[in-house]
Amino acid sequence: DAEITQSPRHKITETGRQVTLACHQTWNHNNMFWYRQDLGHGLRLIHYSYGVHDTNKGEVSDGYSVSRSNTEDLPLTLESAASSQTSVYFCASSDSVNTEAFFGQGTRLTVV
Amino acid sequence: AQTVTQSQPEMSVQEAETVTLSCTYDTSESDYYLFWYKQPPSRQMILVIRQEAYKQQNATENRFSVNFQKAAKSFSLKISDSQLGDAAMYFCAYRRGYSGGGADGLTFGKGTHLIIQP
Repeated sequence: DAEITQSPRHKITETGRQVTLACHQTWNHNNMFWYRQDLGHGLRLIHYSYGVHDTNKGEVSDGYSVSRSNTEDLPLTLESAASSQTSVYFCASSDSVNTEAFFGQGTRLTVV
Repeated sequence: AQTVTQSQPEMSVQEAETVTLSCTYDTSESDYYLFWYKQPPSRQMILVIRQEAYKQQNATENRFSVNFQKAAKSFSLKISDSQLGDAAMYFCAYRRGYSGGGADGLTFGKGTHLIIQP
């Protein structure tokens, strides 16, 4: 069965370190997304991609970057982790505008 | 920019009863899609129901139905015959229609925590 997986599920890192969260989907979807979930804020869009070599900034993109070198993967990089980036991160993918987005299981990141 | 508002941080309902979760949104677009997602304690985001703005008929999926009022920009979720497994966070989400690139990201409300009383 097609799926979308995130790794790691949990990570603790130190302030100032570079961190990369992986997202891999086997749906062959063109559209991929990264969100963060914080108490009191719901899910907010960080970056998204419409296809290979395409990336776009979302609502809360400062301090994050993504790259899309193939259809299956959209890694999220925190260039210099900050305590404000402690959150649960979700990756998602979708086929087209009128279809649902499928979500990964989330990565809980703690920056100490 | 579009916004999604869920005014009920928490709702409680007796098992087997009916509950309605509220959602309002603000957009200047005429073509868009609305979704309800469920997030149980496992953290997995699960699609409950989807509504296309161009459709007048309200979407229904088994015990889940929506009341879509386009003019009022309201999109409420009704859960009938509530079950213990319905306990979760529920998020209302918006996506605008085709913009020439691809599928935009979703704009989410802050969520409603649904408690089912046995």
